[in-house]
Amino acid sequence: GQQLNQSPQSMFIQEGEDVSMNCTSSSIFNTWLWYKQDPGEGPVLLIALYKAGELTSNGRLTAQFGITRKDSFLNISASIPSDVGIYFCAGPRPISNFGNEKLTFGTGTRLTIIP
Amino acid sequence: NAGVTQTPKFQVLKTGQSMTLQCAQDMNHEYMSWYRQDPGMGLRLIHYSVGAGITDQGEVPNGYNVSRSTTEDFPLRLLSAAPSQTSVYFCASRTLSTDTQYFGPGTRLTVL
Repeated sequence: GQQLNQSPQSMFIQEGEDVSMNCTSSSIFNTWLWYKQDPGEGPVLLIALYKAGELTSNGRLTAQFGITRKDSFLNISASIPSDVGIYFCAGPRPISNFGNEKLTFGTGTRLTIIP
Repeated sequence: NAGVTQTPKFQVLKTGQSMTLQCAQDMNHEYMSWYRQDPGMGLRLIHYSVGAGITDQGEVPNGYNVSRSTTEDFPLRLLSAAPSQTSVYFCASRTLSTDTQYFGPGTRLTVL
């Protein structure tokens, strides 16, 4: 099935550092979504991107929709302890002729902050 | 609003047992879905529903049944549990007009 590849798989950083992660696909997406999952919780939507080349911010988070529409990037500036968690990219794909869509998720990037 | 609720939070089953994972939302969302999350695999769609009485299969539907008799509830049934179904299960909902999907807290299922 459709796969979204995220890298890196895990990151160990110190508080205050900037973080960059990306997501790539073998086919085109018209929407890119970035989710964060805290330990023991369900994912929460951080940023949605709808247009190739679009750059969108949400506080210290910035995400970009790649020009080729096959990739997306998420940056976190000046990381803080509550940034710890797993970050997923996701893209909706049509699954019927009625406009229904399903979300395909990436494999996730696990962020750990070293004291 | 309670959002999306799931019960139970943890469950241990023996191979061959059946059970139902419950999911409810109080946001009047049309779309509801079930995902399973396994290490290194991300979240994979099991079944989804776009409204009461309408369900369809996702990427990994084998071994699971769903029904949607009301807008609020979307239970997931395991008819004969297998060790391969050991996973964390998430229910999610959204309106049909947005991409913002709200996830429940998850059910951690172990099949021995």
